[in-house]
Amino acid sequence: KQEVTQIPAALSVPEGENLVLNCSFTDSAIYNLQWFRQDPGKGLTSLLLIQSSQREQTSGRLNASLDKSSGRSTLYIAASQPGDSATYLCAVPALYNTDKLIFGTGTRLQVFP
Amino acid sequence: DVKVTQSSRYLVKRTGEKVFLECVQDMDHENMFWYRQDPGLGLRLIYFSYDVKMKEKGDIPEGYSVSREKKERFSLILESASTNQTSMYLCASSLTLLRQSSYEQYFGPGTRLTVT
Repeated sequence: KQEVTQIPAALSVPEGENLVLNCSFTDSAIYNLQWFRQDPGKGLTSLLLIQSSQREQTSGRLNASLDKSSGRSTLYIAASQPGDSATYLCAVPALYNTDKLIFGTGTRLQVFP
Repeated sequence: DVKVTQSSRYLVKRTGEKVFLECVQDMDHENMFWYRQDPGLGLRLIYFSYDVKMKEKGDIPEGYSVSREKKERFSLILESASTNQTSMYLCASSLTLLRQSSYEQYFGPGTRLTVT
C-alpha cells in the first residue's frame, strides 16, 4: 500500500530565505506527483504536477523535483515571502486505482517579515 | 478555469440530524471525490464516484453515504450526524485518465461542519 510522508511537519523561516519541503513515497511505481497549497480554512490549490517521466517542474518561484528511484520529491521555494505562509501537501495516485490520490499530511509553513 | 463549489462554507448541526453536503463542478469531469481533513490525520477519502450513479467506498465510508444523480453534482450524506464527524469536508473532481494524459484533481473551498 502506498504511503506518503512529508517532513518537516512545520517550518518557520524569515522572509527572503530559500527553502525546501520534502515528500517521500514508499512505492516508486507512480504515474505522477502533485503539490498543493492550502490556506487556513480553505480548499486545496494545485501548484505543480510532475509526470513520472519528468525530473522537475517550475512555476515562478516554485520548483518541484522528482526522483522516482529514491521515492522522493522536493518543493523548492525561492526568496520566500509572508504570502507563502500556508500548508503544502504532496499527493500521488493510488497504486491500484490511479484516479485516486494518496496525500501526505503536509508541511505547515510560516514566513515571517 | 475549473470551478468546484460546495453548498456551505460553515455548517452547525445537532447530533442525530441528517446532513447533506453538496458539491458541483462545471467542467464535465467524470470523477468526483469526498474527503475529510482532520489535524494530524491529513486528507482521508470517504467516497469516490467515477460516473453518474457509480460510487466506490474510500478509506473511511462508515457513517456516510453519497449520491450522484447528475454528472456535475456529488452529494455527501450523513445519515445521523455524530460529534466525531465534526471536520473539514473537501470535495474534488478530475477527468478520468482515459480522457487526459496528465492527471490533476481540483478542489472546492471546503465545508467546516460542526456537530454538537
